[in-house]
Amino acid sequence: AQSVAQPEDQVNVAEGNPLTVKCTYSVSGNPYLFWYVQYPNRGLQFLLKYITGDNLVKGSYGFEAEFNKSQTSFHLKKPSALVSDSALYFCAVRDGGDTNAGKSTFGDGTTLTVKP
Amino acid sequence: EPEVTQTPSHQVTQMGQEVILRCVPISNHLYFYWYRQILGQKVEFLVSFYNNEISEKSEIFDDQFSVERPDGSNFTLKIRSTKLEDSAMYFCASSEGGLAGINEQFFGPGTRLTVL
Repeated sequence: AQSVAQPEDQVNVAEGNPLTVKCTYSVSGNPYLFWYVQYPNRGLQFLLKYITGDNLVKGSYGFEAEFNKSQTSFHLKKPSALVSDSALYFCAVRDGGDTNAGKSTFGDGTTLTVKP
Repeated sequence: EPEVTQTPSHQVTQMGQEVILRCVPISNHLYFYWYRQILGQKVEFLVSFYNNEISEKSEIFDDQFSVERPDGSNFTLKIRSTKLEDSAMYFCASSEGGLAGINEQFFGPGTRLTVL
């Protein structure tokens, strides 16, 4: 079984400040981890992923995330937030040991609000 | 840039009626998925489809649901007898071939299904 937890329903930051959106996971095998963003009335857009290799992964729009195996976490970060980053963010996990076609389990989502 | 498309954007139906939600995945992708998102709630996996058959399905995907790839481009989700609790946003997604699970999913804009 696989699961994802996003402990914060909402994150509020001021424009220009760093932001962190938290995610922890649980899988049986190796974790494949993903971050997606959803703007109002839109589908999910891929931001970045961790499959293997360097624990710090960089993605779209200046976002990055750090894989921490010991803490089973994959927090999303950005050094300087923009008002346009305001959206709903989803963390997702797949079990790398699963030979099926890659069912993703999503967290509940975190609403990020960046204030000018 | 290639994208996943879905039609219709909004479907209103009476309880007990059949609906078909349509998706056109990205043309060179081999894995196809349906997810749903009940308003304000998490994104839930319904089914994955590969090599013209269901690869995995969730407990939500009961006998009233079916998927089909009738031609080389469309991927459909049929709900035979809709219930009030089927009201949700339904997202289609696709991903590239190769090792299942490592590739990110590309999501369509969604179909909002309202069951009256």
